[in-house]
Amino acid sequence: DTGVSQDPRHKITKRGQNVTFRCDPISEHNRLYWYRQTLGQGPEFLTYFQNEAQLEKSRLLSDRFSAERPKGSFSTLEIQRTEQGDSAMYLCASSSYSEAFFGQGTRLTVV
Amino acid sequence: TQLLEQSPQFLSIQEGENLTVYCNSSSVFSSLQWYRQEPGEGPVLLVTVVTGGEVKKLKRLTFQFGDARKDSSLHITAAQPGDTGLYLCAVTQGGSEKLVFGKGTKLTVNP
Repeated sequence: DTGVSQDPRHKITKRGQNVTFRCDPISEHNRLYWYRQTLGQGPEFLTYFQNEAQLEKSRLLSDRFSAERPKGSFSTLEIQRTEQGDSAMYLCASSSYSEAFFGQGTRLTVV
Repeated sequence: TQLLEQSPQFLSIQEGENLTVYCNSSSVFSSLQWYRQEPGEGPVLLVTVVTGGEVKKLKRLTFQFGDARKDSSLHITAAQPGDTGLYLCAVTQGGSEKLVFGKGTKLTVNP
């Protein structure tokens, strides 16, 4: 296993389009997290899954954002009707108990 | 207001110099983590400190958790260009699984 994998690494989209990102966690990890990071900031929490259950969501996660982890393995994060303010690095992390391992992120640019 | 205040925000030094960066809060934490993030990559965990007054060493890096568990410092001895990156501190709060990050210290070590 090579760690947390995110796809795509980069995405450029026009304002108003929908985008979907995928995260494949480390295989034995039951916890999966999504974070967003903008320039000059640390990562900000978006949502958390334990197995397939979405247990916590940030108020940052507007109704245009939805995340799923249908079988407790990979996860998707969808942003509908993208806005320029959605431009950021979207990071996925997974853990089994303590240490969280992060993927390389998906950099989204909304033009 | 930020839960975690990191200082300085930016630091540019010459190879071989020593440096200390800080992570401060008015809240008490059960543990605190330090991460390093390189451009275009996700954060990588360096250390977790859990006991007030604890000192942990990782090669040329020395981490200290304040006696009151409200603050932490990271000292790097004889910095090298490979130490360049964004140093982030992070905590969990109140039984939540999410990590809350500071804004980070962006370190540049010039050859």
